[in-house]
Amino acid sequence: DGGITQSPKYLFRKEGQNVTLSCEQNLNHDAMYWYRQDPGQGLRLIYYSQIVNDFQKGDIAEGYSVSREKKESFPLTVTSAQKNPTAFYLCASGLANYNEQFFGPGTRLTVL
Amino acid sequence: AQKITQTQPGMFVQEKEAVTLDCTYDTSDPSYGLFWYKQPSSGEMIFLIYQGSYDQQNATEGRYSLNFQKARKSANLVISASQLGDSAMYFCAMRERVNQGGKLIFGQGTELSVKP
Repeated sequence: DGGITQSPKYLFRKEGQNVTLSCEQNLNHDAMYWYRQDPGQGLRLIYYSQIVNDFQKGDIAEGYSVSREKKESFPLTVTSAQKNPTAFYLCASGLANYNEQFFGPGTRLTVL
Repeated sequence: AQKITQTQPGMFVQEKEAVTLDCTYDTSDPSYGLFWYKQPSSGEMIFLIYQGSYDQQNATEGRYSLNFQKARKSANLVISASQLGDSAMYFCAMRERVNQGGKLIFGQGTELSVKP
C-alpha cells in the first residue's frame, strides 16, 4: 500500500539527548515536510525538502536538523538544543503541484 | 498577523444535520490554495478538500463542500448529514505560490462534536 510511515509512534527522551524520528514515503513525492503540533494548536513547519540533498528551514527550525539522502526518506533529529521538544511531530509529503499534501500517522515525543 | 483564522474553537451539531466551519485567510498572493484537514483523536491528519484561488466553482468531495468567497477571503467547510464519526478537530490551511516550498500555514482548528 502507498503511504507515509513514521516511527516510532511514541518516543521518550531524557533531557540532553538527541533523538531521530523516521519518516518514509512510497508515494514518489518530491516534496517532504516536518511539522510540529502542540496541544490545542495548529501545525507549524520545522523543515521541508523539495528534492534530494536539499532542504530548507521552516518557521521553527531551531534545535532541529534533517537530511534528505533518498527521495523516500526525510528523518528529523531533535537535538538537545531544542528547549521544549515535547510535542506531536507530523511528517508530510506532496506532489510538485502542491494541490495535495498527505500526512503520516505522527510521532509523539515526550521529554522526561 | 494571522494568515489563517478559525474563530470557532468548538462546535456542536446534531447527527444528520449540516454544519459549517469557518475559515478566513489573509494573503496578497493572487495564486494560492486552501485545504481542509480532519484530525481525529488518533492524531493523523486526513486530507478532506482543496480549493485553488483560480477555481471557478466551489470544491466538493462527497459530504464535504467548500464555500469559497474570494472577495471576503473566506473558505468555510460545509459538512452535510453529520455522522458520529465526524467528531474531530478540523484544520484550515493555506499554501501561497510565493512560498516555493509548498508549505502549509494552518489555523488553530475547530473541534467538532456530533451529538446522537
